[in-house]
Amino acid sequence: DAMVIQNPRYQVTQFGKPVTLSCSQTLNHNVMYWYQQKSSQAPKLLFHYYDKDFNNEADTPDNFQSRRPNTSFCFLDIRSPGLGDAAMYLCATSIPGRGQYFGPGTRLTVT
Amino acid sequence: AQKITQTQPGMFVQEKEAVTLDCTYDTSDPSYGLFWYKQPSSGEMIFLIYQGSYDQQNATEGRYSLNFQKARKSANLVISASQLGDSAMYFCAMRAAQGGSEKLVFGKGTKLTVNP
Repeated sequence: DAMVIQNPRYQVTQFGKPVTLSCSQTLNHNVMYWYQQKSSQAPKLLFHYYDKDFNNEADTPDNFQSRRPNTSFCFLDIRSPGLGDAAMYLCATSIPGRGQYFGPGTRLTVT
Repeated sequence: AQKITQTQPGMFVQEKEAVTLDCTYDTSDPSYGLFWYKQPSSGEMIFLIYQGSYDQQNATEGRYSLNFQKARKSANLVISASQLGDSAMYFCAMRAAQGGSEKLVFGKGTKLTVNP
């Protein structure tokens, strides 16, 4: 059974058109993370939530926002996608003391 | 600051042979965790194995084992009896505790190709 679910798996958006990526988890974990991964690179952490506390990485562009309405769901909003935002976006969850559980990712294309 | 170094951009191995993927790390924290993830071309990050800094024995999970040498700050992944399905990117990562959140610091990855 899938524990971290990301929808959609593939997303195509137009340059400048807002887009929202979705992540849900059935693990009841406190912490949820969003990563951006470009081709042939390691995942780069954008931000994470510890419960409702939002933690932004210092170098995450303002164009990227996130919402966590409840424990199970977390959203990544890209307000005005540029061509450089095309990437795989990975959601992950964790509880203290163990590693992170990743979803299958959403591959974003910007046209 | 924590840092993970994977010096092998690519590795090749024959099917059924063993292969070692290198990982060295740097941290000043006495308590840390080390992870290996597999990422096939589909993109999903699959957890393989975990080693805690205070664990006395090297971690093993099926065909995966972690050769943990604390004094040398290395945490190499050993895959025994390679299979074609093992072809993927492999990332070494270290847990960097920040309050209750546990951020991961990733290496740049090693692309493993298993040849028939």
